[in-house]
Amino acid sequence: AQKITQTQPGMFVQEKEAVTLDCTYDTSDQSYGLFWYKQPSSGEMIFLIYQGSYDEQNATEGRYSLNFQKARKSANLVISASQLGDSAMYFCAMRSRHQAGTALIFGKGTTLSVSS
Amino acid sequence: EPEVTQTPSHQVTQMGQEVILRCVPISNHLYFYWYRQILGQKVEFLVSFYNNEISEKSEIFDDQFSVERPDGSNFTLKIRSTKLEDSAMYFCASDPFPALGNEQFFGPGTRLTVL
Repeated sequence: AQKITQTQPGMFVQEKEAVTLDCTYDTSDQSYGLFWYKQPSSGEMIFLIYQGSYDEQNATEGRYSLNFQKARKSANLVISASQLGDSAMYFCAMRSRHQAGTALIFGKGTTLSVSS
Repeated sequence: EPEVTQTPSHQVTQMGQEVILRCVPISNHLYFYWYRQILGQKVEFLVSFYNNEISEKSEIFDDQFSVERPDGSNFTLKIRSTKLEDSAMYFCASDPFPALGNEQFFGPGTRLTVL
């Protein structure tokens, strides 16, 4: 069965610091994709970054980077230079089958609080 | 920038009543999804829809749920007889075609409150 585990219910960081949000996954598929979404208090789901299982380079998008360790089945999100606006819930998600309408499987999320 | 829209933003209903949640996916997208998020919990997949039929559904999506694409733009989720435990945020999402790396575009959600 596919599963995403996020073990940090809450993380606290000061502005301008870097923070790592942990994500481990479980799948028997060889081909899969890993996603991070941000959910601010307003509730919408905002896509941040994607990593494919065959990608050799770690994905980066601006201040977001994904620390992908395939052998350990981990896909941690690194946010550099945290900003107050980064305070939100962060979800790691996976999709692993090439078929029509493949669902995303989400972890339980990590609440990030950034203080000044 | 094209976006997924959902109406209403908040729906309050009495237990046992039927509700219809509406979504307008991005116009050139082919795959549509419903997810739900009980307050403070993770986002859970309900159902996916392609070419006017369900392509995948979770065990949550039982007989009280149904989906429909009544015209070329709307995608609806119907809950026939709501229960207290159906109170949640319901997200509609879409993507253009089934590629592993495709971002699913989420709507802003409908918060359903069952009293």
